[in-house]
Amino acid sequence: QQQVKQSPQSLIVQKGGISIINCAYENTAFDYFPWYQQFPGKGPALLIAIRPDVSEKKEGRFTISFNKSAKQFSLHIMDSQPGDSATYFCAASSPGGGNKLTFGTGTQLKVEL
Amino acid sequence: DTAVSQTPKYLVTQMGNDKSIKCEQNLGHDTMYWYKQDSKKFLKIMFSYNNKELIINETVPNRFSPKSPDKAHLNLHINSLELGDSAVYFCASSQEFLAGGTGELFFGEGSRLTVL
Repeated sequence: QQQVKQSPQSLIVQKGGISIINCAYENTAFDYFPWYQQFPGKGPALLIAIRPDVSEKKEGRFTISFNKSAKQFSLHIMDSQPGDSATYFCAASSPGGGNKLTFGTGTQLKVEL
Repeated sequence: DTAVSQTPKYLVTQMGNDKSIKCEQNLGHDTMYWYKQDSKKFLKIMFSYNNKELIINETVPNRFSPKSPDKAHLNLHINSLELGDSAVYFCASSQEFLAGGTGELFFGEGSRLTVL
């Protein structure tokens, strides 16, 4: 059972454009929603995270938008750069349960010059 | 100074063999994990240990046996390797919210296992 659905699977954006990746979840007990960034040959690394008490969080060019009623959240990358080319994973976890993160299926982003 | 280090980085082996992957973290975290990333890049949790105690054991064949000798180390032993075990295995650590941490997962660079 895929509890976190992520789309699109791949995305090509021109340099300077906006990259948008969407995720939807089913488990209403989820209360922590991070995004991880993975470069080839490396492990994923935390990019930005949000809790459901806010609808938006911004860190530099990266913004998470969160819609609790729709059970959806998205990552927006403003002014996308070639260095942003990576695989992005959304994830979610619920209180307790050993900090278990359920990951989305990943989005391969390519930013072209 | 690597926060989460795992060895080896690459393993190539024949079906039926046994192999081990070792992981160490120097972040002082209480919780360590093994994740499997398949060819489609899907990340799935396999095991989680908190202070050497197994707390998450997903539906993983019992050919996979984790061991945590102390909270800084988590090893993974795989018996009777099968073709379908080919994947990248990631070790990670975190400090749980309830233990005063942020819950952020810190991943190692992965161990790519190829079973021929």
